[in-house]
Amino acid sequence: KNQVEQSPQSLIILEGKNCTLQCNYTVSPFSNLRWYKQDTGRGPVSLTIMTFSENTKSNGRYTATLDADTKQSSLHITASQLSDSASYICVVSFRNNRKLIWGLGTSLAVNP
Amino acid sequence: DGGITQSPKYLFRKEGQNVTLSCEQNLNHDAMYWYRQDPGQGLRLIYYSQIVNDFQKGDIAEGYSVSREKKESFPLTVTSAQKNPTAFYLCASSIGTGGETEAFFGQGTRLTVV
Repeated sequence: KNQVEQSPQSLIILEGKNCTLQCNYTVSPFSNLRWYKQDTGRGPVSLTIMTFSENTKSNGRYTATLDADTKQSSLHITASQLSDSASYICVVSFRNNRKLIWGLGTSLAVNP
Repeated sequence: DGGITQSPKYLFRKEGQNVTLSCEQNLNHDAMYWYRQDPGQGLRLIYYSQIVNDFQKGDIAEGYSVSREKKESFPLTVTSAQKNPTAFYLCASSIGTGGETEAFFGQGTRLTVV
């Protein structure tokens, strides 16, 4: 079964701290992996897109890593801000038909 | 401003009624999508369209219908045949359907059946 699993389900950190979110997938054959940020009650916004040949990609304070051999990805957030409070969703694309498999997301709360 | 606009933000429907959700984009994107988001589940694809006057069913198309008469518009009708229509609906668009094309999402419509 092709799945995308994220951990932890939820996370609370203090403003200014770093955190790392995990994504494990079993999608095969794999095309690319995306991380989205979704604020409550709003649409998702793309953070990064990585193909199987890329190991890391950054977008400001967000850095995504990918290990295609172990089928694991992580999203590292540096110097967190209150505005980082959101759900972070990992999405994996099939190589053959471009179908997207969405994870359930990690709910991050950044407290002052 | 360039972007993708969904309306209304909140919608209430009586059981047995059809309702249409609007989605408009001025990004000149060829591809448009409709997703449904429920608590505890990942986004699920309802319908998608790669070009004007053409659309395909996604994973959960039953009880829904769409049209793509204009490049900018991709309305979704939730029919009375949809047994559990209460959900958060998201519209998205992308330049194409290639593997690395980025999808841009609207702000969503929350539909509640009363």
